[in-house]
Amino acid sequence: KAGVTQTPRYLIKTRGQQVTLSCSPISGHRSVSWYQQTPGQGLQFLFEYFSETQRNKGNFPGRFSGRQFSNSRSEMNVSTLELGDSALYLCASSLEGPSGNTIYFGEGSWLTVV
Amino acid sequence: EDQVTQSPEALRLQEGESSSLNCSYTVSGLRGLFWYRQDPGKGPEFLFTLYSAGEEKEKERLKATLTKKESFLHITAPKPEDSATYLCAVQIYNFNKFYFGSGTKLNVKP
Repeated sequence: KAGVTQTPRYLIKTRGQQVTLSCSPISGHRSVSWYQQTPGQGLQFLFEYFSETQRNKGNFPGRFSGRQFSNSRSEMNVSTLELGDSALYLCASSLEGPSGNTIYFGEGSWLTVV
Repeated sequence: EDQVTQSPEALRLQEGESSSLNCSYTVSGLRGLFWYRQDPGKGPEFLFTLYSAGEEKEKERLKATLTKKESFLHITAPKPEDSATYLCAVQIYNFNKFYFGSGTKLNVKP
């Protein structure tokens, strides 16, 4: 069974530009969430989507946005990039269940802003 | 405020030297506590989920336990390939988002 797939794996952008990252969840998983990981802040929750609707949102500025498509694939966008946006962006998917939802991560997209 | 704290930040062990990693949490309405392993440059890999105090899960040299305030990840006779950063996360009811600790970086020397 294929895991969570994220593209691109590595990218370099210039300050002020925008970037779009893509995520394909595990087959059958309808919940997709995004996290930012930096050495100083650790793993921080960005947002979560389920059935094309944003259900939860973290404490990030409006420059960070996302969406989910009918096939559960998701994209996140960061506009007007800042140097501090350099991070590993992780996508995770989960299968909804009554006892709790284990989330499974992709390998991440490394974003460097110069 | 919901918080997850892991200790120690870093741990160096000799191969075969058993130890424990700690994850303490203060959250309202714990739905589940999760342990992940992360290798450099990779995404976190799921290890265990614990749902209630007293629960234990085992996998090879790893055993996770849960109390009402904290969780322990016990590593028995570790090998160099166990070197990684171990992350714990909590999920609270009514929210499908996870609060992660800052991790424990484990280094096992041969």
